[in-house]
Amino acid sequence: AQTVTQSQPEMSVQEAETVTLSCTYDTSENNYYLFWYKQPPSRQMILVIRQEAYKQQNATENRFSVNFQKAAKSFSLKISDSQLGDTAMYFCAFMTPPGGGSNYKLTFGKGTLLTVNP
Amino acid sequence: DTAVSQTPKYLVTQMGNDKSIKCEQNLGHDTMYWYKQDSKKFLKIMFSYNNKELIINETVPNRFSPKSPDKAHLNLHINSLELGDSAVYFCASSRPGDTQYFGPGTRLTVL
Repeated sequence: AQTVTQSQPEMSVQEAETVTLSCTYDTSENNYYLFWYKQPPSRQMILVIRQEAYKQQNATENRFSVNFQKAAKSFSLKISDSQLGDTAMYFCAFMTPPGGGSNYKLTFGKGTLLTVNP
Repeated sequence: DTAVSQTPKYLVTQMGNDKSIKCEQNLGHDTMYWYKQDSKKFLKIMFSYNNKELIINETVPNRFSPKSPDKAHLNLHINSLELGDSAVYFCASSRPGDTQYFGPGTRLTVL
């Protein structure tokens, strides 16, 4: 079974600074997808970024980028130029694509609560 | 314009009651899901349907019964509600094996 570990329950950062959230996972699969979702106080689950394991290039979405280390099974999220609106719970998640046997379910880490301070 | 919607957003009820949560998506996706987020914010899959067929049932009590009348809808019915059922329930949808998009969640409180 796949597991996802987020070792930082809480983090804080000053506005405009950079912060990195850690995520490690355990799987015997070779092909899979990794995600970061954001859950602000509004409760809505919002996709931040996605990475396919077969891609060597790290995914980026504006101020959000990942450092994907497949051999180390590590998938960290870097937020540059942090903004007050980035304050949220961030979840790392794992999924095997079609044919992977997991029937597409997302396995989540326990989350990291990020607070951006003014 | 809402992609994945859930009703109601809040549900407060007494122990022993039966309640339903409805989910609708207008993204044209074939696969829909129910996740439960507990009081510690941990998210876990409950059910998944693909083209109205149940494909995941993750050791959820029989009191929980999903129903998919069509590809765009996945409802969750809960019988004999217990205190431990209090949680936020999220519906999500996707193309098979693709990125999942979540609804706004339903906060269920059982008194």
